[in-house]
Amino acid sequence: DIQMTQSPSSVSASVGDRVTITCRASQGISSWLAWYQQKPGKAPKLLIYAASSLQSGVPSRFSGSGSGTDFTLTISSLQPEDFATYYCQQANSFPPSFGGGTKVEIK
Amino acid sequence: QVTLRESGPALVKPTQTLTLTCTFSGFSLSTSGMCVSWIRQPPGKALEWLALIDWDDDKYYSTSLKTRLTISKDTSKNQVVLTMTNMDPVDTATYYCARATVTKNFDYWGQGTLVTVSS
Repeated sequence: DIQMTQSPSSVSASVGDRVTITCRASQGISSWLAWYQQKPGKAPKLLIYAASSLQSGVPSRFSGSGSGTDFTLTISSLQPEDFATYYCQQANSFPPSFGGGTKVEIK
Repeated sequence: QVTLRESGPALVKPTQTLTLTCTFSGFSLSTSGMCVSWIRQPPGKALEWLALIDWDDDKYYSTSLKTRLTISKDTSKNQVVLTMTNMDPVDTATYYCARATVTKNFDYWGQGTLVTVSS
């Protein structure tokens, strides 16, 4: 099975900050990576698929990059509604697997 | 629009079998490329993928849980059922169903159902 490792596990940031979250796969997954946002008590929401493709309706301040084993999610200018936990997920092969999550907190 | 809703017991006893139903609308599981998956999340912890069934009735399971899981579909009712045997307190979690395509991206999710395992 492919293991997904996210870092950091939490980050404190202010509104307007640029935030970058990284995700590493235990083996190459090409560009088969998705990012999700989860707010407390809610289901996850798909933000990015295929490493860099923005899901419909997701603000353009979210972007993804990477291929192979190393990936990043960037929020260019953090907004109040972006404080949440973010998960990466490999979609290269079964079983799909998620990272441990990164909590973006208010500084 | 696409919606999914999980239903099942909120409380099960250790060793019992859990049966969860995902009822969906806005798409058909008989359409090529469509899939439904189950994913769970223990309180305060990360997401864990459990199982997936596709339009062709192919089934895929978590490596660590595959001996305990069964996923099935009723296309006419727009439902997917997950059973998990021999429940344990560590299985306490919110269980989500989600739509996926062959790309294994989960683009629509139910609101989740909390299942507590306790005697």
